[in-house]
Amino acid sequence: GNSVTQMEGPVTLSEEAFLTINCTYTATGYPSLFWYVQYPGEGLQLLLKATKADDKGSNKGFEATYRKETTSFHLEKGSVQVSDSAVYFCALRPMDSSYKLIFGSGTRLLVRP
Amino acid sequence: DGGITQSPKYLFRKEGQNVTLSCEQNLNHDAMYWYRQDPGQGLRLIYYSQIVNDFQKGDIAEGYSVSREKKESFPLTVTSAQKNPTAFYLCASSLTSDPQETQYFGPGTRLLVL
Repeated sequence: GNSVTQMEGPVTLSEEAFLTINCTYTATGYPSLFWYVQYPGEGLQLLLKATKADDKGSNKGFEATYRKETTSFHLEKGSVQVSDSAVYFCALRPMDSSYKLIFGSGTRLLVRP
Repeated sequence: DGGITQSPKYLFRKEGQNVTLSCEQNLNHDAMYWYRQDPGQGLRLIYYSQIVNDFQKGDIAEGYSVSREKKESFPLTVTSAQKNPTAFYLCASSLTSDPQETQYFGPGTRLLVL
């Protein structure tokens, strides 16, 4: 079946540190891949997406590359800020189930000044 | 401004009571979705609608009902049959149900049982 696995949090970093949040997936074919961010008490916001292998999604300094060979979509940022503190969700949308997003369990990021 | 609105922000339910969560979008999107989020977990799909007057069950539809009488509205009713309704409920929409279309989310409604 289709599934998404994220690294467990919380991830605690100092401001300006390098961030990696790992995400791997299981799916048939070529699903679309997404990263969403959720700030405290709010809904989800799309951060970036990639719809085919080797695509790189990027937004607000965050990047993720769709790696078919390793079935991964790791989120990276070169220099985090306190305002990046949030929960990050990796998600996939299977090719054969167009209605559905399948989410990982989320990774909480805490950035200290 | 275009977007998705959900109301209320907080909702309290008494035992045996049905409650309805509102979701409205002015994005002219065909597809709409309801997800449930429990603490420390990802989102799970309750119901979805690809077009007006049509909707389908998701993974955890038991104890919930929906309607889609208008393109911009997709209300969710949490019935008394839902034994563990306390959660954060998120509504989403997408232009179409194509896999490459992005789903956009509303701010959510937190439901608490008294």
